[in-house]
Amino acid sequence: SQQGEEDPQALSIQEGENATMNCSYKTSINNLQWYRQNSGRGLVHLILIRSNEREKHSGRLRVTLDTSKKSSSLLITASRAADTASYFCATASNTGNQFYFGTGTSLTVIP
Amino acid sequence: DVKVTQSSRYLVKRTGEKVFLECVQDMDHENMFWYRQDPGLGLRLIYFSYDVKMKEKGDIPEGYSVSREKKERFSLILESASTNQTSMYLCASRRTPNTGELFFGEGSRLTVL
Repeated sequence: SQQGEEDPQALSIQEGENATMNCSYKTSINNLQWYRQNSGRGLVHLILIRSNEREKHSGRLRVTLDTSKKSSSLLITASRAADTASYFCATASNTGNQFYFGTGTSLTVIP
Repeated sequence: DVKVTQSSRYLVKRTGEKVFLECVQDMDHENMFWYRQDPGLGLRLIYFSYDVKMKEKGDIPEGYSVSREKKERFSLILESASTNQTSMYLCASRRTPNTGELFFGEGSRLTVL
């Protein structure tokens, strides 16, 4: 399986703190994406970073990519209670036809 | 707004029954996917389709089949449901491989008794 892994599996922080999640994957990629899932719901796309990019920002989100280490990190700054969710990284194969998700990080932001 | 609709949010079926999970997207997307999600295992790809009548096996196709007769609809079929197929099933679509972003439905939680 080409499935990636997120670390940590669970994270609990106070509102206002920053949250950092890491993702490792196994094969060469075209791009890496991060998704969010509220409990019992579908996934929602957050941000995409291409294999030739090293860092990308979107609002309070910052994503880094290190293709030499096959890893990525997602930083959520100034967290809010509404950020409580599971976060998944997903990698697209070089052909772009297949998409593989990690096992997810469960984030709890305490008000 | 883009929309991926899964026909049933919750289903309860008996072992051996044939189960159809329907997914419809209204965005004229070429690619469609079926995943199952289980605690601790994340999302695992069952099948995907990159165009009408085209399908490719994912990581765990055993016990499943799919149908894509029309561009907007991608069906997942469990020919003979088993208890180990109790899971959350998620459908997703994407315009083309180069556009990257997947749009997900709300999921179908299937329980097989």
